[in-house]
Amino acid sequence: GQQLNQSPQSMFIQEGEDVSMNCTSSSIFNTWLWYKQDPGEGPVLLIALYKAGELTSNGRLTAQFGITRKDSFLNISASIPSDVGIYFCAVLDNYGQNFVFGPGTRLSVLP
Amino acid sequence: EADIYQTPRYLVIGTGKKITLECSQTMGHDKMYWYQQDPGMELHLIHYSYGVNSTEKGDLSSESTVSRIRTEHFPLTLESARPSHTSQYLCASSALVSYGYTFGSGTRLTVV
Repeated sequence: GQQLNQSPQSMFIQEGEDVSMNCTSSSIFNTWLWYKQDPGEGPVLLIALYKAGELTSNGRLTAQFGITRKDSFLNISASIPSDVGIYFCAVLDNYGQNFVFGPGTRLSVLP
Repeated sequence: EADIYQTPRYLVIGTGKKITLECSQTMGHDKMYWYQQDPGMELHLIHYSYGVNSTEKGDLSSESTVSRIRTEHFPLTLESARPSHTSQYLCASSALVSYGYTFGSGTRLTVV
């Protein structure tokens, strides 16, 4: 079946540091999303990517849709404590019906 | 400000009990989804609906059932809860699928 890989699985960083995480697949997908899940809450959409090579920013967050359409990365600049959470990538399946979620990257920010 | 509501937020229940997890959205979305999230973080699709009287099983086999009698309401029922059902259950909805999903805050279920 369709499967996404996210790396790293977890990361601990110091407040103020920049963060980079990525999401890869063995298949081509045309819509990539990044979500963040705060502890005890549901995931919230951060960035949506629809065009290969597209670079999109949302505040301190920047995401890129890989030119091969098999990967995407998410960068967070100048991390702050509220960046703590689980970051999920998701791709729209090739039937255009449902999203497939990656396993997530757990981010911890140390003061 | 949440437009999709899940109740209860937390539930501890004994083995063999019947339970219904509620999910309601006020956005008029046709598509609704139920995900099960295990302690290892992964989200597993267990049910989805594309509209009233439409329900489908997701990728992860589940002993739960769902119904969609009204657009705004998508409850999930476990006829006989077991400890293996202990998990976080997340409900989501969408208008146009490619725009992504709006998730509720989840129900954390513990079966003892």
